[in-house]
Amino acid sequence: DAKTTQPNSMESNEEEPVHLPCNHSTISGTDYIHWYRQLPSQGPEYVIHGLTSNVNNRMASLAIAEDRKSSTLILHRATLRDAAVYYCILNSGGSNYKLTFGKGTLLTVNP
Amino acid sequence: DAGVIQSPRHEVTEMGQEVTLRCKPISGHDYLFWYRQTMMRGLELLIYFNNNVPIDDSGMPEDRFSAKMPNASFSTLKIQPSEPRDSAVYFCASSPFAGLLREQYFGPGTRLTVT
Repeated sequence: DAKTTQPNSMESNEEEPVHLPCNHSTISGTDYIHWYRQLPSQGPEYVIHGLTSNVNNRMASLAIAEDRKSSTLILHRATLRDAAVYYCILNSGGSNYKLTFGKGTLLTVNP
Repeated sequence: DAGVIQSPRHEVTEMGQEVTLRCKPISGHDYLFWYRQTMMRGLELLIYFNNNVPIDDSGMPEDRFSAKMPNASFSTLKIQPSEPRDSAVYFCASSPFAGLLREQYFGPGTRLTVT
């Protein structure tokens, strides 16, 4: 799967929006963009995924650039509970079920 | 549903001992994954199963590691003999989808310490 690049860490204030960027310049046409997050002392949890169009769910929004070489996970109002490591992952679908986790972005939320 | 269940949650053992980690996936999920997480290497996929059959074990570090899935509701990851460098958090995850979506549900993990 293609490689992703994320900032090591970001900081936000409670109740403010957070934009977490991810670069994936070598993404292929069939790669889905997945976001997971890992809260302290827990296993990762699925956040959102998309292919070409922007996506919204109850947890977050995913904005995908027109050329698909980058994407942004948007938390509309950060809470203390959103403090976690956020992983941006590409998966080519088909028979490939492997998710390759990078180092992710450590999000700190200040009260 | 109770989610993915792993046991034990913590395991402390001495070098050379056999360690068995257990996982119960979410009912109805066709795929089961074993991961290992360390500070140095991050989260690594060790092996995954589809319908109880191992599909990809290329992440298993060496022959001391083995994984089995005797039925749809149970899997084990065994380390024999264990070594201090095996100390890590081991996660099990399951996934229900056979289509394009790859959503995985992770268990709480087993923290293994080998002294």
